[in-house]
This record gives sequence, C-alpha cells and structure tokens, in this order.
Amino acid sequence: AQSVSQHNHHVILSEAASLELGCNYSYGGTVNLFWYVQYPGQHLQLLLKYFSGDPLVKGIKGFEAEFIKSKFSFNLRKPSVQWSDTAEYFCAVNPLTYKYIFGTGTRLKVLA
Amino acid sequence: KAGVTQTPRYLIKTRGQQVTLSCSPISGHRSVSWYQQTPGQGLQFLFEYFSETQRNKGNFPGRFSGRQFSNSRSEMNVSTLELGDSALYLCASIEGKQNTEAFFGQGTRLTVV
Repeated sequence: AQSVSQHNHHVILSEAASLELGCNYSYGGTVNLFWYVQYPGQHLQLLLKYFSGDPLVKGIKGFEAEFIKSKFSFNLRKPSVQWSDTAEYFCAVNPLTYKYIFGTGTRLKVLA
Repeated sequence: KAGVTQTPRYLIKTRGQQVTLSCSPISGHRSVSWYQQTPGQGLQFLFEYFSETQRNKGNFPGRFSGRQFSNSRSEMNVSTLELGDSALYLCASIEGKQNTEAFFGQGTRLTVV
C-alpha cells in the first residue's frame, strides 16, 4: 500500500538552529510531492511543492526541500528557524490521482 | 478569491447520532476531498468527489458517506457516531487538473461524547 513516513514526530529547536525533517514515501511511479504546514488554530497551508524539474524546490518563509528519487525521499529544510515556525508539518504524496497520502506529521517547537 | 469554507466549525454529538458536515470549495474547483485528522494519525483520506461522482474512497466503514452537488459543494455524513469518530474533518479543494495543489479549509472539529 502507498504510504508516507515522517521520521520525526516531535522536534524541539532553539531559534537560529537548522531544521531538517525527513519524509519517505512508498510508491514506484511518478508522484507529486508536497509539504504542508499547520500553525496552531489555522488551516493547512502549502509550504512547497514538487511536480517535476529541479529536485531542489524553494517554498515560502525560507523553506526548501530536496527530492531524491532513488531514495524516495522529500526532506524539508530551513537553515535558521524562527519562533514563528512553531507548527505541525505534513509531507504529502499525490501519485497523480486526486488522492493525497499524508504522513503522520511532525510537531516542531521553536524555543525563543 | 474566497477560500475553502467548512461548516460548522465545531460540533458536539452523542454516540449513536448522525452528523452532516459541509464544504464549499474554491470557486472553479471541481474536486473535493475529505480527510480525518487525529493526533498521531495524520490525515486519513475518506473520499474524493469530482463532478458529483465519487472517484476515490479510503478505508473507512460505510457509516461514512458523502456527496457532491452540481455547484461542487460537498457534504459528508457520519451515521451511528462512535467515540472514535472524534476528530478534525478537513475538506480539500482541488482545481481538477493535474499538477495542482490541494487547498484546505479550517475543518470541522467533531467531538463525540
């Protein structure tokens, strides 16, 4: 069955620390890849997306992600986190259908 | 343009009751998907509708059902509520073409007591 694994369930960082959240998926075909963020009390918002082309994609608020096809991975990175990045982050895979498969999420807490 | 609107925002129901949730997608979007979000489980896919037809269904019991109207608005219904149905139910609006992202509503928080 298709699945998405997010390895870190809870991450605590100090401001200015670097962030990397892991995401691996199991699907052998072509996929679209996404990272969504859910700030406390708010709806899911798109951080960045990958459809094709350059495997290093840049999103909003200084986030970027790298698609490594051979590893079925789409890890999210940010060089220097801020307190306002405290949120839950979800990796999602869309195998070119209209069904999105989400990981279980990573709760990030950034200490001021 | 207006975002995805879900109503109501909060619901409290008792076991055995039924509930209907509503979702109005972004204007022009023809695909609506529903997800159940619970702590530690992430978002679980319920079903997806396009032009009033259910195209995909997740692994949920038949107590969970949905429909889509000609104006793309969608409803989902849960009958014979169980305590485990307590969750945030999210609606996703998709334009209907490939290589587009899903836009989410704020969700309906359902509590079953």
